[in-house]
Amino acid sequence: SYVLTQPPSVSVAPGKTARITCGGNNIGSKSVHWYQQKPGQAPVLVIYYDSDRPSGIPERFSGSNSGNTATLTISRVEAGDEADYYCQVWDSSSDHPDVVFGGGTKLTVL
Amino acid sequence: QVQLVQSGAEVKKPGASVKVSCKASGYTFTSYGISWVRQAPGQGLEWMGWISAYNGNTNYAQKLQGRVTMTTDTSTSTAYMELRSLRSDDTAVYYCARGERRGVADYWGQGTLVTVSS
Repeated sequence: SYVLTQPPSVSVAPGKTARITCGGNNIGSKSVHWYQQKPGQAPVLVIYYDSDRPSGIPERFSGSNSGNTATLTISRVEAGDEADYYCQVWDSSSDHPDVVFGGGTKLTVL
Repeated sequence: QVQLVQSGAEVKKPGASVKVSCKASGYTFTSYGISWVRQAPGQGLEWMGWISAYNGNTNYAQKLQGRVTMTTDTSTSTAYMELRSLRSDDTAVYYCARGERRGVADYWGQGTLVTVSS
């Protein structure tokens, strides 16, 4: 089955830029979605189809996807961005298509 | 506004079944599908499957095939997820979400804690 690899943790100072990666074999050929999850809360969609932002999500959140790596970029990081972030793809490469999540990345704002 | 409201917490014994409900409001129920995602304590997100609220077509995660059934009741705009033959490692928070078959889910329920314990 398809595997998505995320770093377990990323740390960034307030006001700086955070980049969270999601690695997968030829992930650039797939559509990647990103979710933010704060403790005790349901996930929130922050980026869909590689780089689109749902209404209500700040422009500070952006996404890109090429080759074997997709990246969620958070500019001008704020304390309120501290959360777990998950990438997600649709894997149709096997006999049984499945939705796959990455293992998640904990973003810490220093 | 779009809302998904799930049923309350459940405690089940190993081998039993659980059925979680997800009542949708604020949009045309049959225009979207419903995905189910679970999260074991301290762990990441796991996709369980998806059901079309339009025609009832389903797509289950291979790992859960045979143990899970997803249904909808269009008369009440409610989706259901039943998981059978429960094991301790099924203990998790179960989420429903409005979404597409290929995964993207834009509105989520509040989650339902299912605890499997003897």
